[in-house]
Amino acid sequence: DIQMTQSPSSLSASVGDRVTITCRASQSIGIFLNWYQQKPGEAPQFLIYGASSLKSGVPSRFSGSGSGTDFTLTISNVQPADFATYYCQQSYTAPTAFGQGTTLDIK
Amino acid sequence: EVQLVESGGGLVQPGKSVRLSCAASGFNFDGFAMHWVRQIPGKGLEWVSSISWVSDDLAYADSVKGRFTIFRDNPKHSLYLQMDNLRTEDTAFYYCAKGETKGLDWNFEFWGRGTLVTVSS
Repeated sequence: DIQMTQSPSSLSASVGDRVTITCRASQSIGIFLNWYQQKPGEAPQFLIYGASSLKSGVPSRFSGSGSGTDFTLTISNVQPADFATYYCQQSYTAPTAFGQGTTLDIK
Repeated sequence: EVQLVESGGGLVQPGKSVRLSCAASGFNFDGFAMHWVRQIPGKGLEWVSSISWVSDDLAYADSVKGRFTIFRDNPKHSLYLQMDNLRTEDTAFYYCAKGETKGLDWNFEFWGRGTLVTVSS
């Protein structure tokens, strides 16, 4: 099975900062990498698919990149609504797997 | 507007059974695969099970294989998860999620708010 590892586990930022979250797959997954955002007490929201394609309605300050085993999620100009936990997920093969999550909180 | 509403969670003893339901609305339910994903409170996400649009393709995580059964009723726009021989480690929020295609894809486009299953004596 493919394992997904995110770093860091948590990070603090101020409104307006640029932050980057890294996700690494245990083997190559091409660009079959998704990102989700989850706020406390809420269901996850689908942000990015295919490593870099934004879902409809997702602000353009979110961007994704990478291929193979190494991927990044970048949030430029962090807004108050962005403080949440972010999960990567490989959609390359079954069983699908999520990273352990990265919590972005206010500095 | 897509809506997924889970129900059926609660407190259940180890070794017992529970059936979760997910009521779907706002989209053509029988045109999409559906999924269950769980989350231990305060922890990460774990995929549980998936079913294709006409139930001809099913998939389960190794941790639940042989104990959980996924099924759907398309005319009722409903997804189910029959959970048997429950273990304490099955305690989690269970989310219903909509896929993006008829077959088993792994893009979880919309999620319900979840239902909490607590397995404890």
